[in-house]
Amino acid sequence: DADVTQTPRNRITKTGKRIMLECSQTKGHDRMYWYRQDPGLGLRLIYYSFDVKDINKGEISDGYSVSRQAQAKFSLSLESAIPNQTALYFCATGDGNNEQFFGPGTRLTVL
Amino acid sequence: DQQVKQNSPSLSVQEGRISILNCDYTNSMFDYFLWYKKYPAEGPTFLISISSIKDKNEDGRFTVFLNKSAKHLSLHIVPSQPGDSAVYFCAARVNNAGNMLTFGGGTRLMVKP
Repeated sequence: DADVTQTPRNRITKTGKRIMLECSQTKGHDRMYWYRQDPGLGLRLIYYSFDVKDINKGEISDGYSVSRQAQAKFSLSLESAIPNQTALYFCATGDGNNEQFFGPGTRLTVL
Repeated sequence: DQQVKQNSPSLSVQEGRISILNCDYTNSMFDYFLWYKKYPAEGPTFLISISSIKDKNEDGRFTVFLNKSAKHLSLHIVPSQPGDSAVYFCAARVNNAGNMLTFGGGTRLMVKP
C-alpha cells in the first residue's frame, strides 16, 4: 500500500465551485505539505503543517485553505475555484530531516 | 524570482552515455540539496542529496556535484538507461527553516535506446 495517498486523482470542476483535495499518510510523520506543479515552475508550496495544531502559509496560499484533521490527514480546499488554479497538486510528508515523501498527485481542471 | 533554476527544460541522451542535469541557485543560505525524479502520473520520488559541506555524493549510477562558489549543482547519470527517462527536479533547503524545500522548474530527460 502507498505511504501517501491522495483523493481524488483527477477532478474537473467549474469556476466558483468549492472543492476539497484529501491526503492521507501512513508514514507516521508529523509534517505535511501541499504543493502545486505548473509547467516550468516546478513545485510551489501552498501550505504546510508541522503538527495537528500548526498550520502555515507557503509561497502561494491565496485562494486556498487547509485543514489538519489528524496527524495522518491533511486536506486542501479551494473555496471558489478559478481557472488559473488548474494544476497538478501534490501532498507530501516529512519527519523533519531532509527528505519529503510525495503522494501520486491530483490533476485538477477548473473550467 | 526563482531561487532555484533548471535552465534546460529538456535533455535527450543516447542509452549508455552520460546524462548531466544542471541546477543553479541564488540563495547562499541553502545548506542541503536534493534531486527528485518524477514519472508521469506519479509523485516525485527522492533520488539523491548532498550537504553543502560536501562537493560530491555518489549512489550507484547517480552522482551529484556541488560547486558552492558558483552556486551550481549537477546530477550525473552514468550509464543512462531508458528507464531513467523522467522529469528531474532539483530542490534546496535552508537550515533551520522547517525542512522547507524550494524546487527548480524541472528538466525532462529522454534516454533513447
